[in-house]
Amino acid sequence: QVQLQESGPGLVKPSQTLSLTCTVSGGSISSGSYYWSWIRQPAGKGLEWIGRIYTSGSTNYNPSLKSRVTISVDTSKNQFSLKLSSVTAADTAVYYCAREKVGANPVDYWGQGTLVTVSS
Amino acid sequence: EIVLTQSPGTLSLSPGERATLSCRASQSVSSSYLAWYQQKPGQAPRLLIYGASSRATGIPDRFSGSGSGTDFTLTISRLEPEDFAVYYCQQYGSSPPITFGPGTKVDIK
Repeated sequence: QVQLQESGPGLVKPSQTLSLTCTVSGGSISSGSYYWSWIRQPAGKGLEWIGRIYTSGSTNYNPSLKSRVTISVDTSKNQFSLKLSSVTAADTAVYYCAREKVGANPVDYWGQGTLVTVSS
Repeated sequence: EIVLTQSPGTLSLSPGERATLSCRASQSVSSSYLAWYQQKPGQAPRLLIYGASSRATGIPDRFSGSGSGTDFTLTISRLEPEDFAVYYCQQYGSSPPITFGPGTKVDIK
């Protein structure tokens, strides 16, 4: 059973860069069958897809965030990461890492989520 | 980008009643690449339905999905106490971005 676990600072100052890592266990991130994704949810609000990465390093980003987002993968550590630059209070949210099977499939596994607050 | 709208925003029902949730897309969702998720407070969403009408592994048969094109429905035939939650639809066609609806909260009447 695959498991995903987010980690990173819970508090980030405005204008700085938010950095999170997702560690995958119970399966290899290099299997080639999955996209590895980030999704966020502000408190009391809906879900926003941030972007995803394939094992090869190929990425897709939400156009609304594309200028500020970088998703990368470290297959040696079975991890993938999110960087979101120039954050504001509007970026305060629970951030989830997740898995999508390649070829137009829904998210089938989610991490538990981690709250990131942007505040000085 | 495909925009999803869900109605109603909140559905107040009693255990044992039938729940009907709607999801409408701003343009046709290709090949019915439409999913439904359930989310309870403090938890990650859980996949219920994919491909508009296929139940995910372990999902009880009281949950069913239907629809195509731009109009989709999630039906819970008889509400159990554990079904009171927020439900999101999602389109995941081959072209990003993936988008979610704003959610429907099913609460106890």
